[in-house]
Amino acid sequence: GAGVSQTPSNKVTEKGKYVELRCDPISGHTALYWYRQSLGQGPEFLIYFQGTGAADDSGLPNDRFFAVRPEGSVSTLKIQRTERGDSAVYLCASSLIRGTNTGELFFGEGSRLTVL
Amino acid sequence: AQSVTQLDSHVSVSEGTPVLLRCNYSSSYSPSLFWYVQHPNKGLQLLLKYTSAATLVKGINGFEAEFKKSETSFHLTKPSAHMSDAAEYFCVVSSQGGKLIFGQGTELSVKP
Repeated sequence: GAGVSQTPSNKVTEKGKYVELRCDPISGHTALYWYRQSLGQGPEFLIYFQGTGAADDSGLPNDRFFAVRPEGSVSTLKIQRTERGDSAVYLCASSLIRGTNTGELFFGEGSRLTVL
Repeated sequence: AQSVTQLDSHVSVSEGTPVLLRCNYSSSYSPSLFWYVQHPNKGLQLLLKYTSAATLVKGINGFEAEFKKSETSFHLTKPSAHMSDAAEYFCVVSSQGGKLIFGQGTELSVKP
C-alpha cells in the first residue's frame, strides 16, 4: 500500500495476556518509530529503529514491552502480561531517512488496544 | 531537555473567522518545530515545519506559523476557518536524540 499500515486496528484483550501489534512501513523507509497515545494526551515516544536495529528504546515503559524489526521493514511491538494501564492507541511512523530534522514522519492510523 | 506546551486544550471558532492555536517551546539549542494535525480516525499528518530557515512558515490548507525566539513561541494561525479544519492539532519539537516530542494537543472546533 501507499501508506503505513498497522494491524490490528482494534484489539481487546484480558489482563495478563500477550499482545502483538504489527506495523508495515512505507516501502523503502529505513526509519521506523513506535509511539503510544493515551486518551486526551499527545503521542509519547516508545522506540525508534534505523534499519534492523533499535537506535533508541528509551521510551519503552518497562521490560514487558519489546519491539523487533528483523528484516528492516515490518516491525512488531510485543506486550507481555498486559495491564489495564496499557490501554491506548499505538502509533507507528516511518520516514525515508532519520526524520528528526525534517519532521516528516508518515503515521499509520494506529492500533487501539483495550485491556479489560 | 526539549518540551512544548500548548496553551489551550480546546479552541472553538466560527466558520470564516481566524484561527489561533498557541504553542510555547523549551529547548537548550536551536530547535526544529512542527505542527501535526489528527482528524478523527485518521493518521497524524504534518502541517508545517520550522527548521531554522524563514521564521514565517507556510503549510498546507492555508495554515502558517511564526517562530519567535524572543517569546519561545510557535503559534499556528489561519485567516479563515473552514469546517474541515475541525481536528486535533499537535505542536511538536525534535530532540537531539532523534525523537519527536509532542504537546498535549489542542482540539479545534469550527461552528457553522
